[in-house]
Amino acid sequence: EAGVTQSPTHLIKTRGQQVTLRCSPISGHTSVYWYQQALGLGLQFLLWYDEGEERNRGNFPPRFSGRQFPNYSSELNVNALELEDSALYLCASSQHRVLSYEQYFGPGTRLTVT
Amino acid sequence: RKEVEQDPGPFNVPEGATVAFNCTYSNSASQSFFWYRQDCRKEPKLLMSVYSSGNEDGRFTAQLNRASQYISLLIRDSKLSDSATYLCVVNIAGGFKTIFGAGTRLFVKA
Repeated sequence: EAGVTQSPTHLIKTRGQQVTLRCSPISGHTSVYWYQQALGLGLQFLLWYDEGEERNRGNFPPRFSGRQFPNYSSELNVNALELEDSALYLCASSQHRVLSYEQYFGPGTRLTVT
Repeated sequence: RKEVEQDPGPFNVPEGATVAFNCTYSNSASQSFFWYRQDCRKEPKLLMSVYSSGNEDGRFTAQLNRASQYISLLIRDSKLSDSATYLCVVNIAGGFKTIFGAGTRLFVKA
């Protein structure tokens, strides 16, 4: 069974630019979570999508946004990039509808903002 | 006070040692509990879910104490490959909120 996939693997952007990161969940999983992990720090919760709806968001500014598509894949958009947005962005999926909250992670997208 | 707290370590142990990690959580609405391991610059990988009755998977044993709001992970017969950061994870209110601890770093040495 294919795991969670993310693209791109690495990305270098300039301050002020916009970026879109993509995530495909495990087949059968309806929930997608996005996390930010800055170098040497813990995972910070960004967004949770389930069945196409945004269910919860973490303590991040509105320039972090996303969506979930009918096939349950998801995009994370970050506008007006700042240097401190440099981090590993991780996507995870789970089978929320069967009350299974185990999250399985993709390999992440490493974003560098210069 | 952090919602999920772990001893940051690092724990430096020899091969074959037994090591225990502790984690406390503050939200009494916490429903599901997990341990993940994360290797350097990699994604977290689910190690095991933690149940009230306790559960064991090979050399790994996890315990949950709801009264004390405490979770533990015991690793027996440590291997070099166990070197990683171990993350305690708490899921609150039916998945509405997932909180990762900052992690405990383990180094297993030959």
